[in-house]
Amino acid sequence: EVQLVESGGGLVQPGGSLRLSCEASGFTLSSYAMSWVRQAPGKGLEWVSGISGSGGFTYYADSVKGRFIISRDISRNTLYLQMNSLRSEDTAVYYCAKAPSVVPAEHDYWGQGTQVTASS
Amino acid sequence: QSALTQPPSVSGSPGQSVTISCIGTSSDIGVYNRVSWYQQPPGTAPKLMIYEVSNRPSGVPDRFSGSKSGNTASLTISGLQAEDEADYYCSSYTSGDTLVVFGGGTKLTVL
Repeated sequence: EVQLVESGGGLVQPGGSLRLSCEASGFTLSSYAMSWVRQAPGKGLEWVSGISGSGGFTYYADSVKGRFIISRDISRNTLYLQMNSLRSEDTAVYYCAKAPSVVPAEHDYWGQGTQVTASS
Repeated sequence: QSALTQPPSVSGSPGQSVTISCIGTSSDIGVYNRVSWYQQPPGTAPKLMIYEVSNRPSGVPDRFSGSKSGNTASLTISGLQAEDEADYYCSSYTSGDTLVVFGGGTKLTVL
């Protein structure tokens, strides 16, 4: 059974950093693309970042480019999102999501989400 | 402002059909068949309902169907049931630097 469990969210001051983790089970990260998708309070879904199945390609939304870094550890079967220079507008629930292919175009499994709040 | 345009809300009575539209551009829906639809009841994670325009994952009822014409994709739910009440989001692969774009979401109310 595929499971995705996010952790690492919390309250951080604007300008601070957080690293989110997404532990995957039931499949191997090296075979599928993955993404981070966020949802601000009362708002819609926003794709944030993705990584290809090979791990050789990473992609970012313009809103986070240069501040966030997506990575993975195959030995731990875990996906990460390093978030730097956080802003109040980054406040959201962050979901990790698995793609059914090596390209993160659509997502067939989602985690339960982790809350990130950037506020003073 | 979302990259894809959806109506904020739609409604229908049990047993009826509703269609949710998703308007994109020639950089996303118009050029790629990588359109997907997600269902999100309140307080839960999104669930994939349709992928690659019209394909249903295993376990999704055949009451849910997807289509595309030009720059517009559509999700049709037939035989509405109370359990279908949720927010629905469309998504598409895009040729821009942002790999994936979402619509703003549509709240479906079953009357």
